[in-house]
Amino acid sequence: QQQVKQSPQSLIVQKGGISIINCAYENTAFDYFPWYQQFPGKGPALLIAIRPDVSEKKEGRFTISFNKSAKQFSLHIMDSQPGDSATYFCAASESGNQFYFGTGTSLTVIP
Amino acid sequence: NAGVTQTPKFQVLKTGQSMTLQCAQDMNHEYMSWYRQDPGMGLRLIHYSVGAGITDQGEVPNGYNVSRSTTEDFPLRLLSAAPSQTSVYFCASSASGIPTDTQYFGPGTRLTVL
Repeated sequence: QQQVKQSPQSLIVQKGGISIINCAYENTAFDYFPWYQQFPGKGPALLIAIRPDVSEKKEGRFTISFNKSAKQFSLHIMDSQPGDSATYFCAASESGNQFYFGTGTSLTVIP
Repeated sequence: NAGVTQTPKFQVLKTGQSMTLQCAQDMNHEYMSWYRQDPGMGLRLIHYSVGAGITDQGEVPNGYNVSRSTTEDFPLRLLSAAPSQTSVYFCASSASGIPTDTQYFGPGTRLTVL
């Protein structure tokens, strides 16, 4: 059973557009929600993360929006660039010892 | 600082063979973990360790063994490989395992079991 549901599976965005990836969870004990970026042939790398006591976190062009009541969180990539083309994973953790990942979103930014 | 290193990068096994995937980190991290990545499944935690001599099971531990005799190394053993274990395996480490510690992933080992 997938603890964290992620959508869409793939996304194509024009350069300069906004990319939006959504995740949902059921376990209300989750207390940390990171997003990872993975390029082909590489391991995932932490992009940005949020705790449920805030509704939004922004780092440069990347923003996490968090809706605790709906148990949903999303990644927004503003002014998307071809270099942002990668696979993005959301994740959730209860204690830090175990992370549960979404199924991934393959983002392609068209020049 | 090499970060998290994994060997080998690629491996082909026959069903029933055993092998060990190596993982090492030079950041003096207490927490280390192993994930497998399968298409459409994301990353799933196999085993993790919060320090030398301490290991625990993750989401999908069956068919895998781990041990942690040093802070630096966290090998993953497949005792009798099965085709279902064909996957890309990632090792990761973080300073202490608290949620806000950044997890650093290795480059992965692509394993095929025939």
